[in-house]
Amino acid sequence: QQQVKQSPQSLIVQKGGISIINCAYENTAFDYFPWYQQFPGKGPALLIAIRPDVSEKKEGRFTISFNKSAKQFSLHIMDSQPGDSATYFCAASGGSNYQLIWGAGTKLIIKP
Amino acid sequence: NAGVTQTPKFRILKIGQSMTLQCTQDMNHNYMYWYRQDPGMGLKLIYYSVGAGITDKGEVPNGYNVSRSTTEDFPLRLELAAPSQTSVYFCASSYPADRGKQYFGPGTRLTVT
Repeated sequence: QQQVKQSPQSLIVQKGGISIINCAYENTAFDYFPWYQQFPGKGPALLIAIRPDVSEKKEGRFTISFNKSAKQFSLHIMDSQPGDSATYFCAASGGSNYQLIWGAGTKLIIKP
Repeated sequence: NAGVTQTPKFRILKIGQSMTLQCTQDMNHNYMYWYRQDPGMGLKLIYYSVGAGITDKGEVPNGYNVSRSTTEDFPLRLELAAPSQTSVYFCASSYPADRGKQYFGPGTRLTVT
C-alpha cells in the first residue's frame, strides 16, 4: 500500500519528441504527488507537483496528468531537449506519513 | 540563503572506521531527512526528524545513527563502516505542511574500502 511504482526504468527520446513517464500508487490517503528531477552529481530538485483535486497541471513544457480513479499519474515533457536528460522520480505523500514515498526513478536520455 | 548544505563532499573510509556526515539548513524547516542513493538506484530513507529532539527510523537505518539537537543541524553518524555503506548520501528538509516539497543538499559521496 505504501509503494509508488514507476515506469519505464529508462527512456530514450529524440529531440523535439514527447517523453512520458508513468507512476501508480495504492494508498488513497496520498494527497500530494511531486516529480523530482536529478542531474548527475546533484541532489534531486522539485520539478512540478499536483494535488488530486485536479486532473492536469502544466508548467511550461512539463505536464502532470492525474487519474484519481485509476490511481495513476504521469509526467509528460513536450518538445524534449537534450538539457532534459536526467533521472526523474515520482513520489507521493499524505495521510499519517511524515515521509515521501518515492518511485524507483526513470533515466531519460534525449538524443540530439 | 544557502539552503541545505552538506559536508564533506567526498570521503573514503576504511572498513571499521566511523564518521559523521554533516547537514545544515537555513530555511527554518522542522522536517529533515537522510537518504542514500546507490548507483543507478532510487532514494532510500535512512532516518528522518520532525523537529529538534525527535528522530525516527526510515527504511534502511541499520549501521547509522542520527541526532537533532537544533532545528538547523541533522548529522548522520556511521559506526563501523562496511563496504555496503558505499553510496551517495543526501540530506533534505521541508516544512511540516509541505512535506512533499523537499529541498536537497548536494550530497556526500562515500566510499568504504
